[in-house]
Amino acid sequence: TQLLEQSPQFLSIQEGENLTVYCNSSSVFSSLQWYRQEPGEGPVLLVTVVTGGEVKKLKRLTFQFGDARKDSSLHITAAQPGDTGLYLCAGASSNTGKLIFGQGTTLQVKP
Amino acid sequence: EPEVTQTPSHQVTQMGQEVILRCVPISNHLYFYWYRQILGQKVEFLVSFYNNEISEKSEIFDDQFSVERPDGSNFTLKIRSTKLEDSAMYFCASRVGTAQGYTFGSGTRLTVV
Repeated sequence: TQLLEQSPQFLSIQEGENLTVYCNSSSVFSSLQWYRQEPGEGPVLLVTVVTGGEVKKLKRLTFQFGDARKDSSLHITAAQPGDTGLYLCAGASSNTGKLIFGQGTTLQVKP
Repeated sequence: EPEVTQTPSHQVTQMGQEVILRCVPISNHLYFYWYRQILGQKVEFLVSFYNNEISEKSEIFDDQFSVERPDGSNFTLKIRSTKLEDSAMYFCASRVGTAQGYTFGSGTRLTVV
């Protein structure tokens, strides 16, 4: 059974601080995706990383895929209250593109 | 921006009743999925659908579940005889190809009483 372990599960920081969320597995994934989910809504795609070692930037968010394609990280620089929310990582491995989700990281950024 | 549309947003049903959850995926997408999220738990894969047939299903997706794409636009999930433990948010998702990310709908909150 493939599992994605996401850490930390909860994170409360002050505006302006930096943070990193980790997503780890013993399985290899063909791609890894990061989503953000608001209460009562569906996940919204932030980024897809495909190549081992790949780094993608989305404004203050930096996403990295591990060399072995088993882990990933999301780094937020100078967090803002608008970054508050639930962040999910999800790995795709089968030909059908089925996603295995992590349990999510709830981020609270205090002004 | 194109959206995946799900209806209804909330459905309450009695245990043992049949429910049909509806989704309209993005028109040029080829791969369709249903996921569910029980309150406080992970998002779980149910089924994938491509080329008018199921391409993969999870252990959750037993004989009580079925999917259809009856008219080339709608994509439905039917639960024949609902159980209390079927209460969850059900998300439909679609994507153009296997290398692209998903677009998720806003979900249907199913409450079985």
